[in-house]
Amino acid sequence: AQSVTQLDSHVSVSEGTPVLLRCNYSSSYSPSLFWYVQHPNKGLQLLLKYTSAATLVKGINGFEAEFKKSETSFHLTKPSAHMSDAAEYFCVVSDWDSNYQLIWGAGTKLIIKP
Amino acid sequence: DTGVSQNPRHKITKRGQNVTFRCDPISEHNRLYWYRQTLGQGPEFLTYFQNEAQLEKSRLLSDRFSAERPKGSFSTLEIQRTEQGDSAMYLCASSPTGFPEAFFGQGTRLTVV
Repeated sequence: AQSVTQLDSHVSVSEGTPVLLRCNYSSSYSPSLFWYVQHPNKGLQLLLKYTSAATLVKGINGFEAEFKKSETSFHLTKPSAHMSDAAEYFCVVSDWDSNYQLIWGAGTKLIIKP
Repeated sequence: DTGVSQNPRHKITKRGQNVTFRCDPISEHNRLYWYRQTLGQGPEFLTYFQNEAQLEKSRLLSDRFSAERPKGSFSTLEIQRTEQGDSAMYLCASSPTGFPEAFFGQGTRLTVV
């Protein structure tokens, strides 16, 4: 069965420093992987997606993620955090076994210190 | 605005009342999903439609919850005899067939008092 584990419930970084949000997944088949972001009292926005093309995926707002099959990981990174990045981030997996339904991680709250 | 639209954005209701939420997906998106999200949690899948067919409804939380998509366009989610535990954000998303990602609306926040 598919599952997603976000390894940190909270991550706190200083503005201008790198961001790393960790995600591990399990999937029986070739998965599609996503990162969504949710700002306070807002809807969910797709940051980036991996669908079996290039393993390094670039998204919006300077974020990128690398699909590592051997490590079953899909960590989200950004070289330099901005105050506007403060939000909840969700790692999501989808594959044939789940009938392409989205399986969600519990979320990581990113806190940006001035 | 061509995104997913949800109405109302906020709903306050008394316990025991029925409520209905509407979702208008992105035009020509065949798939439509309903999720529930409580504070501090990720979205919880409820049900989804492929055009007008409801292909998965076993995750609806109880028989008080029902959803329709009568003409394969907009959808409604109804909760009958609301309980305080139903207080949450209800999210709608849509996607074209064959695309794994979903595009979300802003959600409807339900408060049951």
